[in-house]
Amino acid sequence: QVQLVESGGGVVQPGGSLRLSCAASGFTISDYGTHWVRQAPGKGLEWVALVRNDGTNTYYADSVKGRFTISRDNSKNTVNLQMNSLRPEDTAVYYCAKDFAWHFDSWGQGTLVTVSS
Amino acid sequence: QTVVTQEPPFSVSPGGTVTLTCGLSSGSVTINNYPSWYQQTPGQAPRALIYTTNTRSSGVPARFSGSILGNKAALTITGAQADDECHYYCALYMGNGIWVFGGGTKLTVL
Repeated sequence: QVQLVESGGGVVQPGGSLRLSCAASGFTISDYGTHWVRQAPGKGLEWVALVRNDGTNTYYADSVKGRFTISRDNSKNTVNLQMNSLRPEDTAVYYCAKDFAWHFDSWGQGTLVTVSS
Repeated sequence: QTVVTQEPPFSVSPGGTVTLTCGLSSGSVTINNYPSWYQQTPGQAPRALIYTTNTRSSGVPARFSGSILGNKAALTITGAQADDECHYYCALYMGNGIWVFGGGTKLTVL
């Protein structure tokens, strides 16, 4: 059974950093791409980043490019999102999602990131 | 900056049919955007409904269908039920590894 579990969320001051992790079970994460998608309180979904199954090719939304880095740890079957220079507008629930057949196939339950002083 | 457009809040009667659409601020949605649709109830993670325009995800009832209508992607619910009341989001692939979600449509069944 495919399962994704996010962790690492919390409260951080503007300009700070946070590292999110997405632990996969029921499948091998290196066989698929993995996305991060976020949702600000009361708002819609925003695609954040993608790491393809090759682990090399990564892509980012303009809103996070240069500040966020997506990476994969095959030994732990996890995908990480390193978030630097955080801003209040980065406050959101962050979901990881498995990429399959050109869509966001399976989703975790999300982890809340709050950027506030 | 490409914007993916969806309807404002929508309502449908129980048993009725509703079509939600997903467009682009500039240009047409095609199968090469690999349109997909997601359902989200409050406090829950999104759930995939439709992908690659018209393929239903596993376990999704047949009353949900996807298509291209004119220059937009469309999600049609035939025979709406009370538990279809939630937010619906579309996602489009824009090329070069970039994805964009629509702003979502809140559907009320009453």
